[in-house]
Amino acid sequence: ETGVTQTPRHLVMGMTNKKSLKCEQHLGHNAMYWYKQSAKKPLELMFVYNFKEQTENNSVPSRFSPECPNSSHLFLHLHTLQPEDSALYLCASSQGALAGGEAGELFFGEGSRLTVL
Amino acid sequence: SQKIEQNSEALNIQEGKTATLTCNYTNYSPAYLQWYRQDPGRGPVFLLLIRENEKEKRKERLKVTFDTTLKQSLFHITASQPADSATYLCALSGGNTPLVFGKGTRLSVIA
Repeated sequence: ETGVTQTPRHLVMGMTNKKSLKCEQHLGHNAMYWYKQSAKKPLELMFVYNFKEQTENNSVPSRFSPECPNSSHLFLHLHTLQPEDSALYLCASSQGALAGGEAGELFFGEGSRLTVL
Repeated sequence: SQKIEQNSEALNIQEGKTATLTCNYTNYSPAYLQWYRQDPGRGPVFLLLIRENEKEKRKERLKVTFDTTLKQSLFHITASQPADSATYLCALSGGNTPLVFGKGTRLSVIA
């Protein structure tokens, strides 16, 4: 139990579906992240939120839409995805935003395995 | 261009030996470097952090070194056990951006 909970753990969707991934952290952290992990590729940072404000959008296609209503919850809304979007989507949190040399560790959830048909 | 390379995609070693994993980087000046462990179907778990002014860090059977001249970190697991089998990820601070990860090395410890 890492203190970061992701739901659903597995999701299969068609290209025309709309679905959402949910992440909740119980650690009192200020920053939350979405990462994408595909086979044979490094973790790709998608979005960063610090104190509910989006501080980074790593050129992610608009079919991925993040939402951070408060410091404990983070959503990733999915719409009109492509088969190449199939991957493990990992949520993480940290005490600070870990930018500018600020040190700290990331606490990851178990991930949501997404398959787009 | 900026690059992080973990030298082996996979590494097999005998139980009881020391496993050494390598992380090299180019065109970064990281303030610190971290190592994570990831088991299949799970999220990464933090293991160790080492800062740019530190040469070595230890935690139980784990040891990390950080050579900013060589732009390299070595991650050692001594007296390795089958339970150490996992993928190990190197991550470094990228200046104004949060952590940047390598692809990982899949370690298999054979009994």
